[in-house]
Amino acid sequence: LAKTTQPISMDSYEGQEVNITCSHNNIATNDYITWYQQFPSQGPRFIIQGYKTKVTNEVASLFIPADRKSSTLSLPRVSLSDTAVYYCLVGGNNNNDMRFGAGTRLTVKP
Amino acid sequence: SAVISQKPSRDICQRGTSLTIQCQVDSQVTMMFWYRQQPGQSLTLIATANQGSEATYESGFVIDKFPISRPNLTFSTLTVSNMSPEDSSIYLCSVEVQGRRNGYTFGSGTRLTVV
Repeated sequence: LAKTTQPISMDSYEGQEVNITCSHNNIATNDYITWYQQFPSQGPRFIIQGYKTKVTNEVASLFIPADRKSSTLSLPRVSLSDTAVYYCLVGGNNNNDMRFGAGTRLTVKP
Repeated sequence: SAVISQKPSRDICQRGTSLTIQCQVDSQVTMMFWYRQQPGQSLTLIATANQGSEATYESGFVIDKFPISRPNLTFSTLTVSNMSPEDSSIYLCSVEVQGRRNGYTFGSGTRLTVV
């Protein structure tokens, strides 16, 4: 079971780019990396998923180095509404990817 | 993605009683998951519910305390039995839709307070 490690919290300001790194040293060959966002009083929301190199969608980018032992979620030009907890999950074709780590609490300030 | 309706959204219950939480999905899904999230904490997986088979429970969770039903591909219930104040938490259901490559969809949760 690939364990993930993320910073507990991060602060940023509106308009800045935010990069949240997740360590997963024992990631398995068939594991994908998935990031979720959770606002207070809501369930987590899927942001992005990747296997290697770089993935980009309308919300974020995900950078995965060649060894896949870490990944970085990049949020461009954050706004106050991006204040949330961000979770990195690692898993493959079983329930391992449904186990959440501690997450990173991002606070965006004006 | 799927739309999940979870009921009730919140409840205050007396200790020793039981509460059944419902999770309704607007499309057929194979796997449904139940989570618990205590205030300010991360999510803990309780069990996986597949239609037509018994739920699979994670370590620390037992069927007698958290019985789960999965009568069809769009519905599941989680019962929190013989509640104590330690069961006060947010309970969420989640489903896999269109394959794991698109992640999972979560309900908005049930905020349970046991007094």
